[in-house]
Amino acid sequence: DTAVSQTPKYLVTQMGNDKSIKCEQNLGHDTMYWYKQDSKKFLKIMFSYNNKELIINETVPNRFSPKSPDKAHLNLHINSLELGDSAVYFCASSQAPGTGRSPLHFGNGTRLTVT
Amino acid sequence: AQTVTQSQPEMSVQEAETVTLSCTYDTSENNYYLFWYKQPPSRQMILVIRQEAYKQQNATENRFSVNFQKAAKSFSLKISDSLLGDTAMYFCAFMVYNFNKFYFGSGTKLNVKP
Repeated sequence: DTAVSQTPKYLVTQMGNDKSIKCEQNLGHDTMYWYKQDSKKFLKIMFSYNNKELIINETVPNRFSPKSPDKAHLNLHINSLELGDSAVYFCASSQAPGTGRSPLHFGNGTRLTVT
Repeated sequence: AQTVTQSQPEMSVQEAETVTLSCTYDTSENNYYLFWYKQPPSRQMILVIRQEAYKQQNATENRFSVNFQKAAKSFSLKISDSLLGDTAMYFCAFMVYNFNKFYFGSGTKLNVKP
């Protein structure tokens, strides 16, 4: 069974469009994240939710809006897509803070290409 | 601020040999966790090994082991008996106890040659 699943796996779209990426985890974790991996493979955190509450919001353009309907789901909506948004977006989950025995569990990533 | 540095952008090793990947980090915290993740060409992020900072004993997982030097803030990964399937990007990661934020290094691309 897939622990952290995100869809779609690939997303190709034109500048100016709006798109969403969905993520679901069945691990019972309290915390979910969105990470962006750029062309140089650098992983940067974007957002983190704990039990549906936003707890980390890095310097991300407000065109990016996360939404967590429940603690098992964290979606990412992107408005007015730009060329620089092209990257691989990873969803991840972990147990609550203070339980570092639970590392990050990643989804398989969504490769977003903006043309 | 917490930072993680991987100074080797790319490394190569012959199959069946041993290779060590370096990682250093900077923090003023005392309680934290360290991880190594592997990202093969399939893009999937796979946990390789983890270490709690309060534990002096180095973690091992089969062919993977770490050399954790807390005073030096160093956390290197040793891969023994390298396999072709070990070819991947390897990321060192750090997390402060009680915080949800994971910090990643820039990665080391490991090529295992036949």
